[in-house]
Amino acid sequence: QVQLVQSGAEVKKPGSSVKVSCKASGGTFSSDAISWVRQAPGQGLEWMGGIIPMFGAPNYAQKFQGRVTITADESTSTAHMELSSLRSEDTAVYYCASGRESDDWNPYGRVHYLDHWGQGTLVTVSS
Amino acid sequence: DIQMTQSPSSVSASVGDRVTITCRASQGISTWLAWYQQKPGKAPKLLIYAASSLQSGVPSRFSGSGSGTDFTLTISSLQPEDSATYYCQQANRFPLTYTFGQGTKLEIK
Repeated sequence: QVQLVQSGAEVKKPGSSVKVSCKASGGTFSSDAISWVRQAPGQGLEWMGGIIPMFGAPNYAQKFQGRVTITADESTSTAHMELSSLRSEDTAVYYCASGRESDDWNPYGRVHYLDHWGQGTLVTVSS
Repeated sequence: DIQMTQSPSSVSASVGDRVTITCRASQGISTWLAWYQQKPGKAPKLLIYAASSLQSGVPSRFSGSGSGTDFTLTISSLQPEDSATYYCQQANRFPLTYTFGQGTKLEIK
């Protein structure tokens, strides 16, 4: 069974950066899609970006382009998300999620659906 | 970018009721759609993928349908434990992209 374990809560100052880790076990890390999703207090889910480790290159939501960096280390089955230039509006719970290739196809290959989630990491941005 | 719009934003229903939540995509997404359930303080849980496939372990009272731009999540006989917020999500393989709807809060009367 896939398990995703995230790093602990963080408190950051405005303008600084935060790096959250997500260690996977029990799955096929290299071919899974790893995504980062955040949820501000009382708000909905917001996809930030993702990566399929075996392909290397991440993709980011336009909103976070230039501020977020997602990496994946196949040797340790660990993904990281770094968000820079933090502001108070970045206060949120940050989730990593993973999905294996499903039996649903699009023109580019099998679609990944996010069927496993980490426990979430609360990032608080406050002066 | 594809936008996902859910309706209603909230719904209140009684145990045993049939509940339907709708999700509309701003452009055609075939069947590349998932539904998630989220309870307060918990991570989301995948219910339905590929628009109508039931995720392993999910009760059969949950079902999904639709293709193209219009999708529905149906709970056939509402149970107390179904009180939660439900999100639709479009999924794309290349580039890897996901977009969530704004959520529908389901309350049990």
